[in-house]
Amino acid sequence: DTGVSQDPRHKITKRGQNVTFRCDPISEHNRLYWYRQTLGQGPEFLTYFQNEAQLEKSRLLSDRFSAERPKGSFSTLEIQRTEQGDSAMYLCASEQGEGENIQYFGAGTRLSVL
Amino acid sequence: AQKITQTQPGMFVQEKEAVTLDCTYDTSDPSYGLFWYKQPSSGEMIFLIYQGSYDQQNATEGRYSLNFQKARKSANLVISASQLGDSAMYFCAMRGSHAGNNRKLIWGLGTSLAVNP
Repeated sequence: DTGVSQDPRHKITKRGQNVTFRCDPISEHNRLYWYRQTLGQGPEFLTYFQNEAQLEKSRLLSDRFSAERPKGSFSTLEIQRTEQGDSAMYLCASEQGEGENIQYFGAGTRLSVL
Repeated sequence: AQKITQTQPGMFVQEKEAVTLDCTYDTSDPSYGLFWYKQPSSGEMIFLIYQGSYDQQNATEGRYSLNFQKARKSANLVISASQLGDSAMYFCAMRGSHAGNNRKLIWGLGTSLAVNP
């Protein structure tokens, strides 16, 4: 039983470039969450999906951010025209949707915008 | 609005001793869940323990137990018999009622725990 997988683990990019991150949830988990964590802070919610439907988006998710989960399995998070303030750890979590409703996290993607 | 407060930025504990990490919360939801996660320096957020607001007994998972005091709105994590591998950041988080779209976790700032040999 594999856990939540995120790719890449690290991404260094120049300001103004576009980046895309991928998250593969635990098999048969129908809910998927994205969070952002900056240094010294707890994670902040960005968005979540139930199957392929995006049900909630944070106001943190500006127009430069977009997330998809086209077939209700893996998800991508894209940041367009990156800014230095986007430098953070991007965490993905999945949840079964039944029973105990625990969010299980991947190892995260650490983004550095130069 | 929901809020989690962790007042201990850093804690030290001697190996094999017990340590308590504090967490207080604020919510107007009648039903809610409280979570503790561990984040080692590698960055992965590891689930430790969950307490539902209507659970009659305090949650326990191996060396982890949750001291839940509903009237005081506190949900402290107790780690017994500390090990060197317990050195990490520890986050308390809360989620409100499952009704509607209120599924996101609200997080505290975390407590950095160092276990001394």
